[in-house]
Amino acid sequence: GAVVSQHPSWVICKSGTSVKIECRSLDFQATTMFWYRQFPKQSLMLMATSNEGSKATYEQGVEKDKFLINHASLTLSTLTVTSAHPEDSSFYICSARDRVTEAFFGQGTRLTVV
Amino acid sequence: GQNIDQPTEMTATEGAIVQINCTYQTSGFNGLFWYQQHAGEAPTFLSYNVLDGLEEKGRFSSFLSRSKGYSYLLLKELQMKDSASYLCASMDSNYQLIWGAGTKLIIKP
Repeated sequence: GAVVSQHPSWVICKSGTSVKIECRSLDFQATTMFWYRQFPKQSLMLMATSNEGSKATYEQGVEKDKFLINHASLTLSTLTVTSAHPEDSSFYICSARDRVTEAFFGQGTRLTVV
Repeated sequence: GQNIDQPTEMTATEGAIVQINCTYQTSGFNGLFWYQQHAGEAPTFLSYNVLDGLEEKGRFSSFLSRSKGYSYLLLKELQMKDSASYLCASMDSNYQLIWGAGTKLIIKP
């Protein structure tokens, strides 16, 4: 199947700093990428849908000024958590679709804000 | 509203068969996905059903009944490595995935 690479796998940052997470589709062009957040023992929660060359569409309750998404090319989308706080600690996962029938996920990024 | 229901947790014995059920209600329907997720890792794709019936793929099979809004994932010859969460997701008319909370499957020797 298609490969989606997410980096970093884990990151620890101080409260108030910003963290950037990258998501790359390695062997296909992804016009649409999705960013999810998952808290322990809970389901994936869609944060936003990222479309190449246009503004991301955020789900209700997700602060777009806090979670900055950039999708500058067909193979790269980035999520920046700005002014991170301990409550932002979570597992962040990106997903890209090469066609309707399958969605491929990055490895996920475990963010810990101290 | 949109809703996906699946059991929270199931326990099965190594070598046995287990069936994980999923019922869905979504605005439109463009297919039903099953994913496997080990603790601390991202989900991995298992199956996709858009037509009624059973799709078999090795030890894993997935069934769909669109009229009943029902799907199940069948795992045969269970192995310890199958211990994971299994996520059911329905794709709605906007091609958005609506996720269930996942079923934690515990395999005992």
